[in-house]
Amino acid sequence: KAGVTQTPRYLIKTRGQQVTLSCSPISGHRSVSWYQQTPGQGLQFLFEYFSETQRNKGNFPGRFSGRQFSNSRSEMNVSTLELGDSALYLCASSLEVAGALNTGELFFGEGSRLTVL
Amino acid sequence: GENVEQHPSTLSVQEGDSAVIKCTYSDSASNYFPWYKQELGKRPQLIIDIRSNVGEKKDQRIAVTLNKTAKHFSLHITETQPEDSAVYFCAPTGNQFYFGTGTSLTVIP
Repeated sequence: KAGVTQTPRYLIKTRGQQVTLSCSPISGHRSVSWYQQTPGQGLQFLFEYFSETQRNKGNFPGRFSGRQFSNSRSEMNVSTLELGDSALYLCASSLEVAGALNTGELFFGEGSRLTVL
Repeated sequence: GENVEQHPSTLSVQEGDSAVIKCTYSDSASNYFPWYKQELGKRPQLIIDIRSNVGEKKDQRIAVTLNKTAKHFSLHITETQPEDSAVYFCAPTGNQFYFGTGTSLTVIP
């Protein structure tokens, strides 16, 4: 079974631009969640999508948005990029949404490393 | 929202010694308690998990203990080896996925 796939793996943008990152979950997984990882900050939760609906959102500004398609693939978008948005963006898929009785393991992609100049 | 604290933030042990990492949380709705390991340059991966109806779970050199009353759970690694060197994250899960700030473990040969 193929793992979680994220594209692109690396990208460089300049301040003010926008970026779209893509995540294809493991087949059969309906939940996709996104995280920002920076040195010393751990994994900061961005949002979770389940059945094309945003179920939870972390404490990030409205410049960060996302969506999920009917095939469970998800995209996240960051508009008006700032230098502080430079980070590794990880997505993870799981069978069930957070809060379900059988919530389980998160399977992570390799991440998209964004550099904002 | 959930308040997750993980201690210590860094930990160095001699090879063969034990390591313990503690995670405290605040959300009473948390019912799933996993630990993830992230090696340098790699993705986080689950190493052990426990559900709220169980107090302890062991898998070879790794164990997790849960105290739901006190709202904390701990990762125990015995007979540490250099390949255990990594960053470890707790992720108490209730209605949202939360992660601790991570513990950087270094095992000194």
